[in-house]
Amino acid sequence: DTEVTQTPKHLVMGMTNKKSLKCEQHMGHRAMYWYKQKAKKPPELMFVYSYEKLSINESVPSRFSPECPNSSLLNLHLHALQPEDSALYLCASSQGQHYGYTFGSGTRLTVV
Amino acid sequence: AQSVTQPDIHITVSEGASLELRCNYSYGATPYLFWYVQSPGQGLQLLLKYFSGDTLVQGIKGFEAEFKRSQSSFNLRKPSVHWSDAAEYFCAVGDGGSYIPTFGRGTSLIVHP
Repeated sequence: DTEVTQTPKHLVMGMTNKKSLKCEQHMGHRAMYWYKQKAKKPPELMFVYSYEKLSINESVPSRFSPECPNSSLLNLHLHALQPEDSALYLCASSQGQHYGYTFGSGTRLTVV
Repeated sequence: AQSVTQPDIHITVSEGASLELRCNYSYGATPYLFWYVQSPGQGLQLLLKYFSGDTLVQGIKGFEAEFKRSQSSFNLRKPSVHWSDAAEYFCAVGDGGSYIPTFGRGTSLIVHP
């Protein structure tokens, strides 16, 4: 298995909702990432998990809450989002710096 | 801190023509360099990478890139472009100390029939 699987592919949520994005990989990669990408822009790093521990939080608002239940799974819990949080949310994993990333196909999030 | 510049926001080529996408980086030591491609509505896919050895790197989908230390460049090339190559292309540079690459702003490739 050489894929990163993200669910759901599309999500529409109200500003008072709570939802979660899920990411799964079975490649044995020990680093996992959440990125946010706006249209026609490069991905912006949000969180990094290394060996299931949060190692980097790029000053992301607390309405985004990551969770790494085990080495294969990564969740992003969403609560009280704003319309400007609408974006493509990408999960990625890596086995090391020089290997590059394997990205999932993303969750297209729309906040209404 | 490392940085990467993709000077071209858009590149338009005819199908069958050759392609070169430019990438310049700034980093004190030998960098880790990557090219990714993103089709509309999709995630990014790694095309190729360089961190040591032969400076001409072969990747997937018929792409290659050449690392030129003297020019701080890592340009992506393809001898004959197909319509399916139309996408956004991102160059990225990483250092040796973390897992975190820095992405360029991207170059949008448009392919005319």
